[in-house]
Amino acid sequence: AQSVTQLDSQVPVFEEAPVELRCNYSSSVSVYLFWYVQYPNQGLQLLLKYLSGSTLVKGINGFEAEFNKSQTSFHLRKPSVHISDTAEYFCAVTPVGGFKTIFGAGTRLFVKA
Amino acid sequence: EPEVTQTPSHQVTQMGQEVILRCVPISNHLYFYWYRQILGQKVEFLVSFYNNEISEKSEIFDDQFSVERPDGSNFTLKIRSTKLEDSAMYFCASSEEWQGKAFFGQGTRLTVV
Repeated sequence: AQSVTQLDSQVPVFEEAPVELRCNYSSSVSVYLFWYVQYPNQGLQLLLKYLSGSTLVKGINGFEAEFNKSQTSFHLRKPSVHISDTAEYFCAVTPVGGFKTIFGAGTRLFVKA
Repeated sequence: EPEVTQTPSHQVTQMGQEVILRCVPISNHLYFYWYRQILGQKVEFLVSFYNNEISEKSEIFDDQFSVERPDGSNFTLKIRSTKLEDSAMYFCASSEEWQGKAFFGQGTRLTVV
């Protein structure tokens, strides 16, 4: 079985500051890793995913994440955030060969002017 | 960008009634999913569907739930006899490839009273 832990439920940050949203996972099998964003009253949108290859993955809206197998982490980063980045961010994993995606509890990013 | 559309956006139903949540996936997509998010909780996988059959389902997806692709364009989730604890936001998603980018709909908020 898999589980995903997002270490921060809320992250307040000032505009143009860097941000890191933390995600740790546990799994007895290899997994694919994802970050999704949910803007208010909208569905989930894929930010980026790691399937294989380079451990540094770049996504949309200037976000990137680094897969660290030894630490079982997949932290999301952005060097300079905008007000429009205010949203809920979800880390998720899917076992290789499977269809079931397990989501973390989410981190609410609140960007202040 | 192409969209997954879900109808209705909000449905209120009496406990014990049957509900059908409707989704129109992106036309060339082959993999279809339902997720739910109970208010304040994690997004939970319900079921995945490929080649006209369920490919994987979670423990939540018991005999009260069923999915169907009745006409090659719609993808429906039926709950036979709703319970109060079925109240949640239900998200439909589709992807062109296995582990490909999943597009999510805006969700249907189901309220069971």
